[in-house]
Amino acid sequence: NAGVTQTPKFQVLKTGQSMTLQCAQDMNHEYMSWYRQDPGMGLRLIHYSVGAGITDQGEVPNGYNVSRSTTEDFPLRLLSAAPSQTSVYFCASSLSQTNQPQHFGDGTRLSIL
Amino acid sequence: GENVEQHPSTLSVQEGDSAVIKCTYSDSASNYFPWYKQELGKRPQLIIDIRSNVGEKKDQRIAVTLNKTAKHFSLHITETQPEDSAVYFCAAASGGYQKVTFGTGTKLQVIP
Repeated sequence: NAGVTQTPKFQVLKTGQSMTLQCAQDMNHEYMSWYRQDPGMGLRLIHYSVGAGITDQGEVPNGYNVSRSTTEDFPLRLLSAAPSQTSVYFCASSLSQTNQPQHFGDGTRLSIL
Repeated sequence: GENVEQHPSTLSVQEGDSAVIKCTYSDSASNYFPWYKQELGKRPQLIIDIRSNVGEKKDQRIAVTLNKTAKHFSLHITETQPEDSAVYFCAAASGGYQKVTFGTGTKLQVIP
């Protein structure tokens, strides 16, 4: 099993550009989520999904869109990149039952100029 | 929503000493409390977790305690080693949808 795979690992964008961060998992996990990690602020939940076709907002959803067409994939879209979105983005997945640990991908380091 | 506070933000200990990291949470409905270790440039990885029906859990040199009444939980690392140096995050989760709220992290440095 590859676990949770994120692409790309690094990306530099200009303000106003759009892009999609990819996340795929091969563990048949129902629950998937996106976090951003900024210095001194821990991990903050952007969006999450409890299964294919179902998504919901987390703590900091503005400027981001998600969709979940399959169990395996959960892409994160930046509609119009802003410097405030410079961060490290982590995708995570877990089993659907309550109280299960999350498995994280290696992260995408994103810089917005 | 849930609010998780974590202290201290940095912690330096001598190799072989113990380290304690404390977290408090605000939502009494939270019932799952994982701890993650993140080495520099790496992904967060689960090191131990505790559920609300348990007061303490141990795994070799690592232990976690939970006080539901006071809404706080702690991570204890005994006989620290240099490879324990990392950032540690506590988290609290509630409900079937697992909305997990993380603390702001503790940077642990173990001095050889």
